[in-house]
Amino acid sequence: QKEVEQNSGPLSVPEGAIASLNCTYSDRGSQSFFWYRQYSGKSPELIMSIYSNGDKEDGRFTAQLNKASQYVSLLIRDSQPSDSATYLCAVNYSRTGNQFYFGTGTSLTVIP
Amino acid sequence: ETGVTQTPRHLVMGMTNKKSLKCEQHLGHNAMYWYKQSAKKPLELMFVYNFKEQTENNSVPSRFSPECPNSSHLFLHLHTLQPEDSALYLCASSQEYFQISGNTIYFGEGSWLTVV
Repeated sequence: QKEVEQNSGPLSVPEGAIASLNCTYSDRGSQSFFWYRQYSGKSPELIMSIYSNGDKEDGRFTAQLNKASQYVSLLIRDSQPSDSATYLCAVNYSRTGNQFYFGTGTSLTVIP
Repeated sequence: ETGVTQTPRHLVMGMTNKKSLKCEQHLGHNAMYWYKQSAKKPLELMFVYNFKEQTENNSVPSRFSPECPNSSHLFLHLHTLQPEDSALYLCASSQEYFQISGNTIYFGEGSWLTVV
């Protein structure tokens, strides 16, 4: 059973703070990792992808991957109210096809 | 213009109705997906088509019937649904299904389905 676990939240941070979102996954064969942002009533939007251990930075977003601990995280620096959304962690297990497994999402609220 | 478009955006149907959801992707991708998103649950993969061929059917009830006439279009035909089928149905696409790495999935805006 391939599982992706996220703390459902809600997570509240003040504007300008760092928001930290965490995700663990169960299958060591997982190869690609993604963070999607989903605004209420909208579809998921890809914001970060990471494939190898370490950090990957893109603007205010940093994804961190630790395959040994089966852990992937997303840091949002200088959080803005527009970052308020649900963040979905997705894990791609490609051995038998492009199967994406999603967590239930973490709800983030940035307080002005 | 989004790369993956879905119609209708909202659909209300009775349990005896027959309706269809439509998806079109403009990204030149070869794999298309149907996902179901219900409250408090992870996204559930329903069907996958790769180069128009169905490659995955995740034990979806037969009241959901997919159709993929070409790599750019995907349909989900609905008949005799149940109230618990009410959810957001998301279409998605990716370059290929059997690509080993670097494969990213892009979602459409979704179709909100309510079964009454």
